[in-house]
Amino acid sequence: EIVMTQSPATLSVSPGERATLSCRASQSVTSNLAWYQHKPGQAPRLLIYGTSTGAPGIPARFSGSGSGTEFTLTISSLQSEDFAVYYCQQYNNWPLTFGGGTKVEIK
Amino acid sequence: QVQLQQSGPGLVKPSQTLSLTCAISGDSVSSDSAAWTWIRQSPSRGLEWLGRTYYRSEWYHDYAVSVKSRIIINPDTSDNQFSLHLSSVTPEDTAVYYCARDQSSSGWFDPWGQGTLVTVSS
Repeated sequence: EIVMTQSPATLSVSPGERATLSCRASQSVTSNLAWYQHKPGQAPRLLIYGTSTGAPGIPARFSGSGSGTEFTLTISSLQSEDFAVYYCQQYNNWPLTFGGGTKVEIK
Repeated sequence: QVQLQQSGPGLVKPSQTLSLTCAISGDSVSSDSAAWTWIRQSPSRGLEWLGRTYYRSEWYHDYAVSVKSRIIINPDTSDNQFSLHLSSVTPEDTAVYYCARDQSSSGWFDPWGQGTLVTVSS
């Protein structure tokens, strides 16, 4: 099973600042990586798939990069609605696995 | 716009069967490209893929090894929904359960249902 490790666990950022979230895979997942945003009491929301392809309707301030075992989600200028927990997920190998999440909180 | 609406009890007794339903609007459970999936989230296990059902001229099912002996995911073409049945539950099965669509059977999920907190307790 591929283990996905996200860092940091919590990221404190001021509105308008840039946020950089990391996701590491225990073995290569090529580019088969997705990112989700999750707010309390809501359904998780797909942000990025294929490492860098934005899902329909996702603002351009969300971008993804990386390959192999190291991936990054960047939020270029944090808006108030972006404070949430973010999860990465690999779909290169079965079983599909998720990271433990990064909570982005208001500084 | 595809939407998934979950229903089912929030409390199940140990050793009984957990049953949840996910109603689909805007797509078909019989889609020849999508896969219909259940995922759960708990503090101890994080997000865990449980299984899926999909139609490719016939019905297929895939299940996580961790629950394979206890899980059934069934499509319901009459009501355009799919269900999760997890038998012999223990307190370790306490989690928020989500249904989700894998649109092209690629492995990423969009959209997700709203989630159902299921507590296993007597």
